Amino acid sequence: AQSVTQLGSHVSVSEGALVLLRCNYSSSVPPYLFWYVQYPNQGLQLLLKYTTGATLVKGINGFEAEFKKSETSFHLTKPSAHMSDAAEYFCAVSKGSNYKLTFGKGTLLTVNP
Amino acid sequence: NAGVTQTPKFRVLKTGQSMTLLCAQDMNHEYMYWYRQDPGMGLRLIHYSVGEGTTAKGEVPDGYNVSRLKKQNFLLGLESAAPSQTSVYFCASSYVNSPLHFGNGTRLTVT
Repeated sequence: AQSVTQLGSHVSVSEGALVLLRCNYSSSVPPYLFWYVQYPNQGLQLLLKYTTGATLVKGINGFEAEFKKSETSFHLTKPSAHMSDAAEYFCAVSKGSNYKLTFGKGTLLTVNP
Repeated sequence: NAGVTQTPKFRVLKTGQSMTLLCAQDMNHEYMYWYRQDPGMGLRLIHYSVGEGTTAKGEVPDGYNVSRLKKQNFLLGLESAAPSQTSVYFCASSYVNSPLHFGNGTRLTVT
């Protein structure tokens, strides 16, 4: 079975500061990894995904994530936070090409002026 | 470009009542999914479908039934609602081997 652990249910940063949202996974097969963002009263939107190939993946809105197999991690970063980044972020894993996702519990990002 | 549309957006039920949530997608996606989202729990898969006429159980299927009679629609039914089914329900769809597209959710309260 696969699982996802997001460290920190709530992260608060100042505008312009580095954003780091942590995600660790377990999977019995090479995983596909995703980050989704959810704005209030909306569905989830895909930020970025890792399937195969380059381990540093770039997504929308200046976010990127690095797949580290040795650490079973897929942390999400953004060099400089913007007020519009305030939202809930979900890490997810699927077994290889099966897109039936297992989600983490989410991390709420607050950006302070 | 509607994408994934969920109906209704909000609903309040009394314990024991039944209802059906409708999900419609206009992207010709093969796969469709129903998730529930609860505070501090993330999203959990209820049921999913890999094509018209097929359905399968996800992580938390008890108390729910689904049908996929048409490729573009995926219905989620609650036969006898319970307070534990108070949640926000999300439908999603995808092509084979492609990321999920989500609807905006249905907020259900069971009293």
